[in-house]
Amino acid sequence: NAGVTQTPKFRVLKTGQSMTLLCAQDMNHEYMYWYRQDPGMGLRLIHYSVGEGTTAKGEVPDGYNVSRLKKQNFLLGLESAAPSQTSVYFCASSVRARAEAFFGQGTRLTVV
Amino acid sequence: LAKTTQPISMDSYEGQEVNITCSHNNIATNDYITWYQQFPSQGPRFIIQGYKTKVTNEVASLFIPADRKSSTLSLPRVSLSDTAVYYCLVGDNQGGKLIFGQGTELSVKP
Repeated sequence: NAGVTQTPKFRVLKTGQSMTLLCAQDMNHEYMYWYRQDPGMGLRLIHYSVGEGTTAKGEVPDGYNVSRLKKQNFLLGLESAAPSQTSVYFCASSVRARAEAFFGQGTRLTVV
Repeated sequence: LAKTTQPISMDSYEGQEVNITCSHNNIATNDYITWYQQFPSQGPRFIIQGYKTKVTNEVASLFIPADRKSSTLSLPRVSLSDTAVYYCLVGDNQGGKLIFGQGTELSVKP
């Protein structure tokens, strides 16, 4: 019973490089979320999805793109990484609105 | 989405009851109140959710007064392992957004 799995767990990027973070959930959840958490701060919502094929902007969407081509996967892309995007990224999913959200283990990204 | 205000940090000792209060003065009729717990280097974990009065589960209790402008998460007899950040979220999530505030960092001492 994997729950929410994030790939990779760690990554170091050079400024200007691109990468994609993968979030996979095996609970058949409709809602999926991407957050970033900077040291000593709370989680900030980047993008979210309320179902396959849908995406929407959260609190801090600039510099990121997302896709939800399959219900179980939610991809977060950085087209041109910047040092300000150094953070821990968390993915989450929930079965419906207002339901308990389940989080992945996080991806620690460093942009140098 | 209703804005929430929580204490930034709290200290307690093992065995004590801890109450963390969250203010949400502009809570809407359809909004629910949800609390999450986050340990260092881990994603948040759902603790409890309620709409009014009192909700209790095996981990915590949630007290919500009649005006619903605040709520209190109660942790009975805390242990060192309860040291974490606790987040109060308010919303109906109908639009899909799940917004976290700053949270309360609870430190439990021996």
